[in-house]
Amino acid sequence: QVQLVQSGAEVKKPGASVKVSCKASGYTFNSYSMHWVRQAPGQRLEWMGWSNAGNGNTKYSQKFQGRVSITRDTSASTAYMELSSLRSEDTAVYYCARVLTVVLTATLGYWGQGTLVTVSS
Amino acid sequence: DIQMTQSPSSLSASVGDRVTITCRASQTISRYLNWYQQKPGKAPKLLIYDASSLQSGAPPRFSGSGSGTDFTLTISSLQPEDSATYYCQQSYSPLTFGGGTKVEIK
Repeated sequence: QVQLVQSGAEVKKPGASVKVSCKASGYTFNSYSMHWVRQAPGQRLEWMGWSNAGNGNTKYSQKFQGRVSITRDTSASTAYMELSSLRSEDTAVYYCARVLTVVLTATLGYWGQGTLVTVSS
Repeated sequence: DIQMTQSPSSLSASVGDRVTITCRASQTISRYLNWYQQKPGKAPKLLIYDASSLQSGAPPRFSGSGSGTDFTLTISSLQPEDSATYYCQQSYSPLTFGGGTKVEIK
């Protein structure tokens, strides 16, 4: 079955960077795109960007453009999301989410367990 | 960006009640609308995709309808395990989510 296992919680200082990993299993990693979504405490889900398995491209939310980088290591079946220049407002749970099918590339069918990133001085 | 507005923001209903949650998009999105269920401390779980298609494994008491700008999620007979927050999400880039509807059991 499809499983996405994310790296553990992180505590970072303002201005630092964080890199969250998402190890996939149970399917052909190369065939399915991966999105990243975050949720600040008590807030709605917020889309950050995605890695398109079809053409290898990435696309980011304008809000995070210049601060976020989404990459994939196909040999390790692992996706990564790196966020730089962290500020307190970036404190949130970060999720990776695989698309439901190769066609439904904006439907988030499978989710990782989430990684809490706390930004505090 | 397309704004998604859900109502109500919370509701309380009894076991067996029929519950309806609405989601409105700021511009037409055809049927590109998904619904997720999230329980405290857990990741969201896909319930309905493309407005009305039931995700595999989701209980059949959940159904979705709508197109254009107005959508609904209906729970035909509320169960205790349905206590959760429900989010809608539209599929045009950038993806955006509604503010959530917290469903509590009386």
